[in-house]
Amino acid sequence: DAGITQSPRHKVTETGTPVTLRCHQTENHRYMYWYRQDPGHGLRLIHYSYGVKDTDKGEVSDGYSVSRSKTEDFLLTLESATSSQTSVYFCAISDSHGGGRETQYFGPGTRLLVL
Amino acid sequence: QQQVKQSPQSLIVQKGGISIINCAYENTAFDYFPWYQQFPGKGPALLIAIRPDVSEKKEGRFTISFNKSAKQFSLHIMDSQPGDSATYFCAAASTGKLIFGQGTTLQVKP
Repeated sequence: DAGITQSPRHKVTETGTPVTLRCHQTENHRYMYWYRQDPGHGLRLIHYSYGVKDTDKGEVSDGYSVSRSKTEDFLLTLESATSSQTSVYFCAISDSHGGGRETQYFGPGTRLLVL
Repeated sequence: QQQVKQSPQSLIVQKGGISIINCAYENTAFDYFPWYQQFPGKGPALLIAIRPDVSEKKEGRFTISFNKSAKQFSLHIMDSQPGDSATYFCAAASTGKLIFGQGTTLQVKP
């Protein structure tokens, strides 16, 4: 998985509780992404980062926030988890962005269940 | 709005046969079209990719056919093997962000 770890790998939580997922990379790639994967929807971009402290929204960003204080770490926070956020979350990294060079490398995923 | 539509949702092929997965897109600004392969419990991994200035790209048993005027592209897996059983996602990129299709679950029967 291209030097990408995600933690935790599995989590069960209750509605209304905050949840933070961590992505850690050892590749020193500039760009990092958070996706969610749901049946029938493929993968959808939540947020992405193009450098330390530089982040932007994806297509399904409502209810999520992110932070990137170091090149190697990208955190995804669900401020108040809802059942609709039950999903598998993937982190991805890339050393390029745009211009037809968007090879992204994905982590192993975090399976989140919100009861 | 689903910008990349993928079909079929699932596909069963006999060993040695040809697997074909199709995708259609809407945004003519897309400039990169990758295919990802995902095994159960794993993250997606890049399989093969094409840019819109070519009509076909082949890597081993995997071929992308690209039709710019029709805004369609497809993945062909020749001599399909049981080890190819996985979920396949097409994607399209513009300004660095990937838009994924819904995915196709391929089962190759021995």
